[in-house]
Amino acid sequence: AQSVAQPEDQVNVAEGNPLTVKCTYSVSGNPYLFWYVQYPNRGLQFLLKYITGDNLVKGSYGFEAEFNKSQTSFHLKKPSALVSDSALYFCAVRDTTDSWGKLQFGAGTQVVVTP
Amino acid sequence: NAGVTQTPKFQVLKTGQSMTLQCAQDMNHEYMSWYRQDPGMGLRLIHYSVGAGITDQGEVPNGYNVSRSTTEDFPLRLLSAAPSQKSVYFCASSTSGTVNSPLHFGNGTRLTVT
Repeated sequence: AQSVAQPEDQVNVAEGNPLTVKCTYSVSGNPYLFWYVQYPNRGLQFLLKYITGDNLVKGSYGFEAEFNKSQTSFHLKKPSALVSDSALYFCAVRDTTDSWGKLQFGAGTQVVVTP
Repeated sequence: NAGVTQTPKFQVLKTGQSMTLQCAQDMNHEYMSWYRQDPGMGLRLIHYSVGAGITDQGEVPNGYNVSRSTTEDFPLRLLSAAPSQKSVYFCASSTSGTVNSPLHFGNGTRLTVT
């Protein structure tokens, strides 16, 4: 079975400061890892994914994430946060040996960026 | 390009009523799925389909039916609404061929059950 944890319900950061949203996962095999963002009253939008290769993955809107196999983590980062980055962020994981149906989402982390 | 379109955006049902949530995509995606989003629980998979005529259950399928007669459409039917089905429902699709394809989401249907 696979699982994903986002330990922080909310992250508060001042505009211009670095932003980190934490995610840890558990899979029996190797992971496919994803980050999605949800703005109010909208569906989720894909930000980035880790499949294999370079542990640092770059995505949309200046976001990046670092895959750490030993710590089973996939934290989302942005060097300088914007007020427009305020949204709900979801980490998701799928075991590479699993079928289509088993993409597991975390509970989400609300990011609040203050001017 | 419309992407994934869900209708209606809002729905209020009485306990015991049935209804169908509509989902259509214009990207020729083989994979389509339905999720429900509840506070503090993230998204949970209800049903999914890897192509026309093929459906399978996800994590929380009870009380819901799906069918996939065309590539474009994937309706979700609530058989007999219960207060526990109050949620926001999202339809999502992706290309086939590899399970690492990202999902494209609709804007959701907010369901209230009284």
